Amino acid sequence: DSGVTQTPKHLITATGQRVTLRCSPRSGDLSVYWYQQSLDQGLQFLIQYYNGEERAKGNILERFSAQQFPDLHSELNLSSLELGDSALYFCASSVSGATGNTIYFGEGSWLTVV
Amino acid sequence: QKEVEQDPGPLSVPEGAIVSLNCTYSNSAFQYFMWYRQYSRKGPELLMYTYSSGNKEDGRFTAQVDKSSKYISLFIRDSQPSDSATYLCASSTIQGAQKLVFGQGTRLTINP
Repeated sequence: DSGVTQTPKHLITATGQRVTLRCSPRSGDLSVYWYQQSLDQGLQFLIQYYNGEERAKGNILERFSAQQFPDLHSELNLSSLELGDSALYFCASSVSGATGNTIYFGEGSWLTVV
Repeated sequence: QKEVEQDPGPLSVPEGAIVSLNCTYSNSAFQYFMWYRQYSRKGPELLMYTYSSGNKEDGRFTAQVDKSSKYISLFIRDSQPSDSATYLCASSTIQGAQKLVFGQGTRLTINP
């Protein structure tokens, strides 16, 4: 157990809908990351937050947004869902956003869009 | 072309064998190199972490980075059935040290 908690573990929703994935980082970790893992694209970095502020952005679609709250938990919002958004979404955390910090991954939220 | 290329396998070897997993990368700015292990339906867990070129050993695992050829390797000695998993290499630049670029992952099976 990495200490990173993600909910829900599984989610099935229809195209066009909106979902929110939630992440609680390890105790004491200030930085949260979101990654998407799909069969064709592999594991891809979406976005990073540090202590409530956006720190880095990757291949995140405009339909997706994230935020980190004062209690450091984070949410990833996915809207206008398409079939291609079906994937495993991982949250990860680290102590800070600094170089060399180990990043710990949660067990993921499996999203299926039908 | 992906920045980090990895043969997805699958790779199947007998228990006790030495396993060699490899990746190549194209971004010369990559300075950090990692290997993650991912069991089915679980999150990736960090195995090895290397900065720049060289070797790093941890128990049965050895990570090698050759920046001149842009080649990353992970060796597993005395492989065990519990090593069966998907292994992902990852790299990042100094500036984007937390923005990891992953390979596709190699699915490894160790047969008893």
